[in-house]
Amino acid sequence: KNQVEQSPQSLIILEGKNCTLQCNYTVSPFSNLRWYKQDTGRGPVSLTIMTFSENTKSNGRYTATLDADTKQSSLHITASQLSDSASYICVVSASGGGADGLTFGKGTHLIIQP
Amino acid sequence: EAQVTQNPRYLITVTGKKLTVTCSQNMNHEYMSWYRQDPGLGLRQIYYSMNVEVTDKGDVPEGYKVSRKEKRNFPLILESPSPNQTSLYFCASSLRQRGAPSSYEQYFGPGTRLTVT
Repeated sequence: KNQVEQSPQSLIILEGKNCTLQCNYTVSPFSNLRWYKQDTGRGPVSLTIMTFSENTKSNGRYTATLDADTKQSSLHITASQLSDSASYICVVSASGGGADGLTFGKGTHLIIQP
Repeated sequence: EAQVTQNPRYLITVTGKKLTVTCSQNMNHEYMSWYRQDPGLGLRQIYYSMNVEVTDKGDVPEGYKVSRKEKRNFPLILESPSPNQTSLYFCASSLRQRGAPSSYEQYFGPGTRLTVT
């Protein structure tokens, strides 16, 4: 069964510090992996999308990495800001067939404290 | 402005009273999807549609119906709502072309908070 596990469930850090969120998956065959940011009560917004051949992708202070061999991804946030407080969701897409093929992680709830 | 819109944003209703939540996108996307989000469970897919007149069940389709008569619209129908359908609902769309990773980016609507009493 395809699964996406995210850790930690929640994280509190001080403003200005860096942090790294983890995503482990058992989705096969792999197509792409996406990270989303979801502010409380709002719809998720895409941060990055990575395919099998990409191992790093940046979007401003957000850097995602992908290790397709170990089936792990991480999202690194540099110099955190109060506006980074949100849930971060990892979504892995399987390729092939007519099915939707999306598997969602439950998210990491990040709180940035001043 | 490219966007996904949902209506209503907030709805309180009673058990058994049929309701429809509308979803519309202006990006000419082929793929549309409905999710519900509950605390501790994350986003769970209800139904999705690969194109006009093509719909399929997601992980939690029981108690819901959808239709895709036009490319831009994908309404979610609750024929007989029950309290366990109280949730935050999101509609999403994407272009979803093979071989174009960026086209898989999903655009989510602002959400509809539904309470069934």
